[in-house]
Amino acid sequence: NAGVMQNPRHLVRRRGQEARLRCSPMKGHSHVYWYRQLPEEGLKFMVYLQKENIIDESGMPKERFSAEFPKEGPSILRIQQVVRGDSAAYFCASSPGASTNTGELFFGEGSRLTVL
Amino acid sequence: AQKITQTQPGMFVQEKEAVTLDCTYDTSDPSYGLFWYKQPSSGEMIFLIYQGSYDQQNATEGRYSLNFQKARKSANLVISASQLGDSAMYFCAMREASGAGSYQLTFGKGTKLSVIP
Repeated sequence: NAGVMQNPRHLVRRRGQEARLRCSPMKGHSHVYWYRQLPEEGLKFMVYLQKENIIDESGMPKERFSAEFPKEGPSILRIQQVVRGDSAAYFCASSPGASTNTGELFFGEGSRLTVL
Repeated sequence: AQKITQTQPGMFVQEKEAVTLDCTYDTSDPSYGLFWYKQPSSGEMIFLIYQGSYDQQNATEGRYSLNFQKARKSANLVISASQLGDSAMYFCAMREASGAGSYQLTFGKGTKLSVIP
C-alpha cells in the first residue's frame, strides 16, 4: 500500500545546474499531476500527465521546465538552468483516473528544491 | 478574481475547543468539488474531507466537518475537540467539473492553525 513516492525529498542546486525530481504514483494510478508550492503560498498546478502523454501543461513555465511520464518508470519533472526563483516545494499527486468518486488527488511528501 | 479565498492567515485555538477555518470560492460551474488538506510542519499534504456541489448533506469525517453554504459559496472547515497534533497549515481547494480545470485542484493560500495547550 505504498503511497505516492517522491525523491529526492531535498535537493540543493547551484544556479545554472539541472534539477530532476522523480515521482512514482500509487499502485494502479495512471494519472500524475505536478504542483509547485512557493514559500507562504498554496499549491499551484503545473502539469497533468498520463502514461506517455502530457494532457495539460498550462501551469508550466514556458522555458526550462519539462515533464514526462514514460511507459516504464517514474514521472520526471526536469528544471534546466535553475534560478533562485525555482526554490520551492514540488508536489506530485496521482489518481486512478481523470476523476474519481471524490476527485481526490493523493499527494506525495514533496521534493524541496533549494537553489543557491 | 481569486477562485479560493482563505481570509485567515493564522488562527489560535485552545486544546479541546472547536475551531472554524473559513473558505469562500468562486465558480460558475454548477458541478464542482471542494477539498480540505492539512499540511503539518513535515510538509506532506494530507487529505481531510471532500464536499461535492450536489451533496445534500454536509460532509463529516471524524472530528472534521465541512459547513457547506452553497448560496454564499462558502465551505468552512470545522475541527471539533482540537488536539495539539492539529497544529498545521490548512488548505481549501476546489476542482471544477468542466473545462480545462476539470482535473486541477485550485488551492487557497492557507490558514496556519496553532493549538494552545
